[in-house]
Amino acid sequence: QKEVEQNSGPLSVPEGAIASLNCTYSDRGSQSFFWYRQYSGKSPELIMSIYSNGDKEDGRFTAQLNKASQYVSLLIRDSQPSDSATYLCAVRNKGRRALTFGSGTRLQVQP
Amino acid sequence: DAMVIQNPRYQVTQFGKPVTLSCSQTLNHNVMYWYQQKSSQAPKLLFHYYDKDFNNEADTPDNFQSRRPNTSFCFLDIRSPGLGDAAMYLCATSGTGEKLFFGSGTQLSVL
Repeated sequence: QKEVEQNSGPLSVPEGAIASLNCTYSDRGSQSFFWYRQYSGKSPELIMSIYSNGDKEDGRFTAQLNKASQYVSLLIRDSQPSDSATYLCAVRNKGRRALTFGSGTRLQVQP
Repeated sequence: DAMVIQNPRYQVTQFGKPVTLSCSQTLNHNVMYWYQQKSSQAPKLLFHYYDKDFNNEADTPDNFQSRRPNTSFCFLDIRSPGLGDAAMYLCATSGTGEKLFFGSGTQLSVL
């Protein structure tokens, strides 16, 4: 079982729709959760971080965390073609400094 | 602007020829990381430094070495690159917070 699992996609949504990206993790002691966006050939850039159960909103992005289900999600409202990228879920496990990444979900927003 | 800088952006080497990738930071962060990312895969942690304290991942091949001569610089040495080492190499830093700040990456090709 991978430590951080994501559906590789591609997830295709029309412009203006809501994109929903999901991530599960195996270490129940994980404490911090992050979503990174990565354009092809570029390095990851941080979109959201979330540390406690519930929702966290930042502009068009909402991160959701459910520690009991070991599940993190990212909602992107009013999706734009510029949102087309791979979205990486990352988890900080208890006692570790480094982040463990999932392999990402490729999002395609159709104009 | 303060940032994480990786050089070169693209590196081509020959099979078995040692190669060094460099990373510098102006953030004065005490932790520096090296991740390897192959196409459509998760970034994989190779090792990290907490100040001068070197932390190697258990599954990082001996072919990979790292040096951190001071706070600002960190190097990744690949002693005898194989075809399987072709990847994007990502340097990242973190300070007192939990966020990782990535450089632009070095795309390594092995001929």
